[in-house]
Amino acid sequence: DVKVTQSSRYLVKRTGEKVFLECVQDMDHENMFWYRQDPGLGLRLIYFSYDVKMKEKGDIPEGYSVSREKKERFSLILESASTNQTSMYLCALAKGGDAYEQYFGPGTRLTVT
Amino acid sequence: GQNIDQPTEMTATEGAIVQINCTYQTSGFNGLFWYQQHAGEAPTFLSYNVLDGLEEKGRFSSFLSRSKGYSYLLLKELQMKDSASYLCAALDSNYQLIWGAGTKLIIKP
Repeated sequence: DVKVTQSSRYLVKRTGEKVFLECVQDMDHENMFWYRQDPGLGLRLIYFSYDVKMKEKGDIPEGYSVSREKKERFSLILESASTNQTSMYLCALAKGGDAYEQYFGPGTRLTVT
Repeated sequence: GQNIDQPTEMTATEGAIVQINCTYQTSGFNGLFWYQQHAGEAPTFLSYNVLDGLEEKGRFSSFLSRSKGYSYLLLKELQMKDSASYLCAALDSNYQLIWGAGTKLIIKP
């Protein structure tokens, strides 16, 4: 079974704080993704990574950055949290090659007050 | 632009059959995924179609027509535990997933 863990299920932060969301896998998969999910909007891709130290912007990267120093760990950083970043954040991974199905972590529900 | 359309909500009866439709418009196409997401939980992979036709997997089947830009997920012998959102996602020419907003399926006894 694919195992993806995220550092917190629920998080409450104040406006302006720096927020770190961490995603860890134990499957040695190449590709990792960060999404946010909001009601009625579906999943929106923030950033993804195909390998260590590599990162690519997704559809909504503004206000976010990422770090992938080790293959198993992909971190999402909110440099200065704002209330419009209140959302469910989902980490996903895919094996790579011609295996495109993504496996998701349990999600972090972030509230910025 | 790229777009995925699926109904917002559907209601069905326990034991019945329901079909959830999805239409897509993407720049290039490399396959169609269906995911199930229970409330408050992460999406879980259900199926992947890249060729035209029907793929059956137990009570769930998925159909694809590439020429029509259309897919459906068919759920048979509905159970209460099937109450969830069902997400359609198309793999575009850059091998990125384009997601629909999801269809919330409500099962009534």
